[in-house]
Amino acid sequence: QQPVQSPQAVILREGEDAVINCSSSKALYSVHWYRQKHGEAPVFLMILLKGGEQKGHEKISASFNEKKQQSSLYLTASQLSYSGTYFCGTDSDDYKLSFGAGTTVTVRA
Amino acid sequence: GAVVSQHPSWVICKSGTSVKIECRSLDFQATTMFWYRQFPKQSLMLMATSNEGSKATYEQGVEKDKFLINHASLTLSTLTVTSAHPEDSSFYICSARSLGTGGSQTQYFGPGTRLLVL
Repeated sequence: QQPVQSPQAVILREGEDAVINCSSSKALYSVHWYRQKHGEAPVFLMILLKGGEQKGHEKISASFNEKKQQSSLYLTASQLSYSGTYFCGTDSDDYKLSFGAGTTVTVRA
Repeated sequence: GAVVSQHPSWVICKSGTSVKIECRSLDFQATTMFWYRQFPKQSLMLMATSNEGSKATYEQGVEKDKFLINHASLTLSTLTVTSAHPEDSSFYICSARSLGTGGSQTQYFGPGTRLLVL
């Protein structure tokens, strides 16, 4: 079952912050975050494992609340290069990822 | 990160023909690869899981006889769209699973193949 992402879209000015949420109705083993630019394949940002969180990738970080079966991606001091569609992929311990519908982020100068 | 390649990046074909797409993991071995399809402005939909040396596992609603998957080696999986029709036109993306730190399993995507069936 697909996780639910929110918001669907967000428009930011350079330097502003944003949060993207991802929630699942199933227990999660890990959550994966990707960014996809128009016409390109998704690029891996980070993975969050059960019981912990990982940060990595410019000023983008994420958290994973396994009890709530939720993950959030934080875009801090956004840059123009942050524009794209962000997908969360959830893994319920069978290594197959189910992707949310995506959140389109537009960063304007 | 790990590198996954796909070939071809673009293909245009006539209705009724078959198209073969290759997915290679360039700097790691992947016992499992995944094939996704993405329609414009939509999410990635998993089609099948490709396992090296065994049959692929297809998701519900995906015709195994239409989308033939072969995972002949630890670095190569192929997807063949047989008797392609215009409704098969889509962006096909493969991913390969790489063992990361702490036992995490990261999926790295190939650049994708755009298929247009006329």
